[in-house]
Amino acid sequence: DAGVTQSPTHLIKTRGQQVTLRCSPKSGHDTVSWYQQALGQGPQFIFQYYEEEERQRGNFPDRFSGHQFPNYSSELNVNALLLGDSALYLCASSLAGVYEQYFGPGTRLTVT
Amino acid sequence: DQQVKQNSPSLSVQEGRISILNCDYTNSMFDYFLWYKKYPAEGPTFLISISSIKDKNEDGRFTVFLNKSAKHLSLHIVPSQPGDSAVYFCAASALGGFKTIFGAGTRLFVKA
Repeated sequence: DAGVTQSPTHLIKTRGQQVTLRCSPKSGHDTVSWYQQALGQGPQFIFQYYEEEERQRGNFPDRFSGHQFPNYSSELNVNALLLGDSALYLCASSLAGVYEQYFGPGTRLTVT
Repeated sequence: DQQVKQNSPSLSVQEGRISILNCDYTNSMFDYFLWYKKYPAEGPTFLISISSIKDKNEDGRFTVFLNKSAKHLSLHIVPSQPGDSAVYFCAASALGGFKTIFGAGTRLFVKA
């Protein structure tokens, strides 16, 4: 049973560019959440997707957007990258209404 | 807006002794609390949780205590083992898991 997978593992981008990160949830899970983890901090909630709709959003600007596909996989898009967007981006999946989440290994984004 | 706080960045404990990790929260709407463990280069892994209607939950060597009046929870690990060395995140959620807020984490070192 494959767990949560994320791609790519690492990514280097330049300020102003756009990036797309991908996530496949654990088999059977229908809900995907995205988090940003800066160095020395805990994961910060970006948004959650369920039934292809954004259900809840954290305190992140509109430059951060997402999508969920019919197979429950998800993408995180970040436009107009800033140096401060450099972080580990974590995807977590769960069943709707269940609090416990399963996390992927993350995508390390470096903005130069 | 730190709704979940872990005030100890690190904790060092001798193998076989008890590890106590603490967490405070400010939002009375939180109705479910979770602890996650994170090893380097991996995503967080769910460890144990507690509903706000309980004050204690035990799972093997791990016990979580919740004091709602003090808005405080703690994770006890007895006995501690070197393999428990990791970063531990306290997390809180409401509304059926739509949004989960994480603390900054406590790095636990268990010395052999």
